[in-house]
Amino acid sequence: GAGVSQSPSNKVTEKGKDVELRCDPISGHTALYWYRQSLGQGLEFLIYFQGNSAPDKSGLPSDRFSAERTGGSVSTLTIQRTQQEDSAVYLCASSTGDRVTYGYTFGSGTRLTVV
Amino acid sequence: DQQVKQNSPSLSVQEGRISILNCDYTNSMFDYFLWYKKYPAEGPTFLISISSIKDKNEDGRFTVFLNKSAKHLSLHIVPSQPGDSAVYFCAASVSNTGKLIFGQGTTLQVKP
Repeated sequence: GAGVSQSPSNKVTEKGKDVELRCDPISGHTALYWYRQSLGQGLEFLIYFQGNSAPDKSGLPSDRFSAERTGGSVSTLTIQRTQQEDSAVYLCASSTGDRVTYGYTFGSGTRLTVV
Repeated sequence: DQQVKQNSPSLSVQEGRISILNCDYTNSMFDYFLWYKKYPAEGPTFLISISSIKDKNEDGRFTVFLNKSAKHLSLHIVPSQPGDSAVYFCAASVSNTGKLIFGQGTTLQVKP
């Protein structure tokens, strides 16, 4: 596609439920990133995939969070047993490689609300 | 531990004047810096970047200045336009690797 596509755009879930957020990166982009923005906060790094390398998971806040990238393309971020503090906008981005000279291209995000 | 800090949550300027957005960082290993702009309900978009081997990079109305000794960078927008009203994030990386560390953002309002 022309840009990074994220679905759903909005998700309301009950505390304790699991959620899956999807990201379709730009075709041909080998690097994919997940960030989140909580209310009034900056963008918090979660996880980074680059090609076939092991992902950098250093930003995942707890073991309730996991992410996969299948076939080097689509990625799914899964949050198990959601908590209210998980409410945020989850942003996915992709780039042509592991160099950020021209920045990432972000999707519009998924707004997650845990009630 | 906030490695990249934008201490001004908001800034308001008059159309046609200069907007100066500031960013400080603590990690001396950072050597590549970027600015992003974000409109409501959209993802951030890349604006301009600078390598640590430079102290200035200019692109049209946008100029980024880097002061390595002070661990400080700034984004100058001149002249400011109402369409520049958005949230601006600075970001930094180590050795131009994939992971970016972002600041908290500054909301810029340009008044007509």
